[in-house]
Amino acid sequence: EAEVAQSPRYKITEKSQAVAFWCDPISGHATLYWYRQILGQGPELLVQFQDESVVDDSQLPKDRFSAERLKGVDSTLKIQPAELGDSAMYLCASSSVGGGRRDYEQYFGPGTRLTVT
Amino acid sequence: GEDVEQSLFLSVREGDSSVINCTYTDSSSTYLYWYKQEPGAGLQLLTYIFSNMDMKQDQRLTVLLNKKDKHLSLRIADTQTGDSAIYFCAERRGTGTASKLTFGTGTRLQVTL
Repeated sequence: EAEVAQSPRYKITEKSQAVAFWCDPISGHATLYWYRQILGQGPELLVQFQDESVVDDSQLPKDRFSAERLKGVDSTLKIQPAELGDSAMYLCASSSVGGGRRDYEQYFGPGTRLTVT
Repeated sequence: GEDVEQSLFLSVREGDSSVINCTYTDSSSTYLYWYKQEPGAGLQLLTYIFSNMDMKQDQRLTVLLNKKDKHLSLRIADTQTGDSAIYFCAERRGTGTASKLTFGTGTRLQVTL
């Protein structure tokens, strides 16, 4: 069964350092999402891509966060500089828009657990 | 408000039924979802219901939707220890490629022997 891949699974970094996360969506899924999940809360959308274009980045802290999906397939989320409050699980999800009944259903990767010290 | 609300914790005995409740906010939401998250893992889509339905059954899972009260519930029959996890409801707001999910705070289900 196709899955969303993410790496690394765990990342520990010191504050003020740069950190990057990678996501490879399910093949053929045009829409890719990055979420942040703080411990004890539900995921919150950071950025949504449709192919290589950003559809929604209204909740992305743009002073320190950036995201790209250059070829419309895999994606990278970067934080520079990292702050203590960025410690969280970063989840990637993807969905299709092929006109089927299961369009827009989001399938999640295993996440990257970030700890900022 | 903007929040999707869930109770924080539920404890049930193995073999009993579990009922997890959710109150959502957007009456125009088209789909509502239930996701399961095991420790340290991503979210697994369990089931969903279209907004024009009242009930959906999928093996041990039954979803009930009360649109008038904006209330969604997930019933797990014959709950097993492997069902121990955090359960999130989510509503899909907007349409087409601009649609997005808003998640609840999650309910931790603990199954005891």
